[in-house]
Amino acid sequence: QVQLVQSGAEVKKPGASVTVSCKASGYTFTGYGISWVRQAPGQGLEWMGWISVYNGDTNYAQKFRGRVTLTTDTSTSTAFMELRSLNSDDTAVYYCTRDPDGNTDFDYWGQGTLVTVSA
Amino acid sequence: DIQMTQSPSSLSASVGDRVTITCRASQSIRIYLNWYQQKPGKAPKLLIYSASSLQSGVPSRFSGSGSGTDFTLTISSLQPEDFATYYCQQSYNTPRTFGQGTKLEIK
Repeated sequence: QVQLVQSGAEVKKPGASVTVSCKASGYTFTGYGISWVRQAPGQGLEWMGWISVYNGDTNYAQKFRGRVTLTTDTSTSTAFMELRSLNSDDTAVYYCTRDPDGNTDFDYWGQGTLVTVSA
Repeated sequence: DIQMTQSPSSLSASVGDRVTITCRASQSIRIYLNWYQQKPGKAPKLLIYSASSLQSGVPSRFSGSGSGTDFTLTISSLQPEDFATYYCQQSYNTPRTFGQGTKLEIK
């Protein structure tokens, strides 16, 4: 069965960077893209960006462009999301999602990773 | 960016009730509309894609309709496990955007 398993919770200081990983199993990793979606405490869902696992193409939301980098490692079927220059507004649960071509629905989700930014 | 607006923001209903949630896009998105269910502390779950297609494994009491700018999610007979927050999301263009959510609570 399709599974996306994310790395554990992180606590970071303002100005630091964080990298969240997402290990995929149960499907052909290179056949689908990965999107990242975040959710601040008590708030709604916000799409951050998408990466094609097949060729590495990326598409970032304007809000995060220059501050986020999405990558993948096909040898371990793992996707990564790096977010830099963290501030308190980045405190959120970050989800990876399976996203076939960057233009459809998010059919499978990781369990989420809480990133807390606090001095 | 395409703005997605859901109504109502919250809703109280009883087991067995028929419930409808609406989602309006700020411009036409044809049928590129998806619905998700989220329970507290859990990741969202895809229910409906392309406005009216039921995701595999989702009970048939869930249905979606609409096209253009106006969409609905209907639950025909509420079950205890359906009390959750529901989000619509457009996949017409990027950035993919979500509605603000509708919290469905037990009356």
